[in-house]
Amino acid sequence: AQTVTQSQPEMSVQEAETVTLSCTYDTSESDYYLFWYKQPPSRQMILVIRQEAYKQQNATENRFSVNFQKAAKSFSLKISDSQLGDAAMYFCAYRSASGAGSYQLTFGKGTKLSVIP
Amino acid sequence: NAGVTQTPKFQVLKTGQSMTLQCAQDMNHEYMSWYRQDPGMGLRLIHYSVGAGITDQGEVPNGYNVSRSTTEDFPLRLLSAAPSQTSVYFCASRRLLGTGTGNTIYFGEGSWLTVV
Repeated sequence: AQTVTQSQPEMSVQEAETVTLSCTYDTSESDYYLFWYKQPPSRQMILVIRQEAYKQQNATENRFSVNFQKAAKSFSLKISDSQLGDAAMYFCAYRSASGAGSYQLTFGKGTKLSVIP
Repeated sequence: NAGVTQTPKFQVLKTGQSMTLQCAQDMNHEYMSWYRQDPGMGLRLIHYSVGAGITDQGEVPNGYNVSRSTTEDFPLRLLSAAPSQTSVYFCASRRLLGTGTGNTIYFGEGSWLTVV
C-alpha cells in the first residue's frame, strides 16, 4: 500500500515571504498523481495543485509551485509571496493512475501553516 | 451548478442510533466516495462507487453501509453509531475517465458528526 508522509506538523512564514512544505511518498508504481490540498478552518478541501508522475515538468499555479523528484519520491510545495489567506492545513495526497488504487486518495497527516503579518 | 452537496452539515447522535448522511452530485460523475477525517489525520476512504449498483470498501469500512441506486446519489449509513465514529465526513466525486484536470476529484463541504 502507498504511504504519504508529511514530516512538518506545523510551519510558519512571514507575510510576503516564501515557504516550502515537504512531502514524501512510498510507491512501487510508475504512473500516478500527486496533489496538494488546502483545508482552511471551514474544513473545505481545496485543490491547490496537481502533478502527473509522467510529466517531468513541475506544476505551477500562480504563487504555488511544486518540486517533484520522482526518483527520490519527494513532492514539496512552494508558496511564494505568502498571504494571510494562505494560513490553513495543507495535505499532500497520492492516487494511482490505474487499477484499484486509482479509486483511493491516500493522504498525509497534514502541515498546519501559519502566516505572520 | 451545485457540485457535491452533503446533508446534514452537523449532527449529534447517541450511541447505538442509526443515521444516513446524504450526498448528491450534479456533474454526472461515475465515481463517488466517502472519506472520514479524524483529528491529526488526513482523509481516509470508507467506501466508494464506480457507478450505479456498484460499490466497494475502502480503508475503513467497518460500521458503515452504502448503496448507489442512481448516478447522482451516494448515501452513507451508520448502522449503530459508536463514539469512534465521531468525525468529519466528506463525500467526493469525479469522472472515471479522462486525464489531466478531466478527472479532478470534487469534495463536498463536509458533515460534522458527533456520537455521544
